[in-house]
Amino acid sequence: EVQLVESGGGLVQPGRSLKLSCAASGFTFSSFPMAWVRQAPKKGLEWVASISSGGGGTYYPDSVKGRFTISRDNAKSTLYLQMDSLRSEDTASYYCARHFHYSSYTPFAYWGQGTLVTVSS
Amino acid sequence: DVQMTQSPSYLAASPGESVSISCKASKSISNNLAWYQEKPGKANKLLIHSGSTLQSGTPSRLSGSGSGTDFTLTIRSLESEDFAVYYCQQYNEYPYTFGAGTKLELK
Repeated sequence: EVQLVESGGGLVQPGRSLKLSCAASGFTFSSFPMAWVRQAPKKGLEWVASISSGGGGTYYPDSVKGRFTISRDNAKSTLYLQMDSLRSEDTASYYCARHFHYSSYTPFAYWGQGTLVTVSS
Repeated sequence: DVQMTQSPSYLAASPGESVSISCKASKSISNNLAWYQEKPGKANKLLIHSGSTLQSGTPSRLSGSGSGTDFTLTIRSLESEDFAVYYCQQYNEYPYTFGAGTKLELK
């Protein structure tokens, strides 16, 4: 059974940093691209970042480019999201997701249950 | 960016009824469209990909149609487990974008 468990969320002040982790199990982690998707309170879903299976390719929307960094440790089956220069609009639940197939140009086949990040002074 | 316009935003129906949700892309996305279900306390679930291909485990009373810019999710013979929020998403190009969601509630 595929499991994705996020951790590392919490309350952080604007301008500070936070690093999220996602522990994966139930599949060959190193074979699949991975992603982060967020959902602000009472809002819809927003894709935040994707990373290729080997980690050499990373992709971001303009809203987080230059502030967020997605990375992975295939030996530990763990995905990360380093979030710097946080803003109030980054407040959201952050979900780890596995892409459907070996290409990142695929939908998100599996999702975690999320970790809440609150950016506030 | 590709804008995804989903409608309606809210839908009330009774068990046994059929409903349809529309998703329109601001430009052609071929058939690179997925539908997801969101329920409280559960991980989001991929229902349909490639516009009309049911993901393993998706009941056959759900169906997806469309290509290019216009897509539809149809649920026939609604069951209690179907009352949830549904999102469409395009994965044709970065940045991936989602529709605003449709909340399907019990009438």
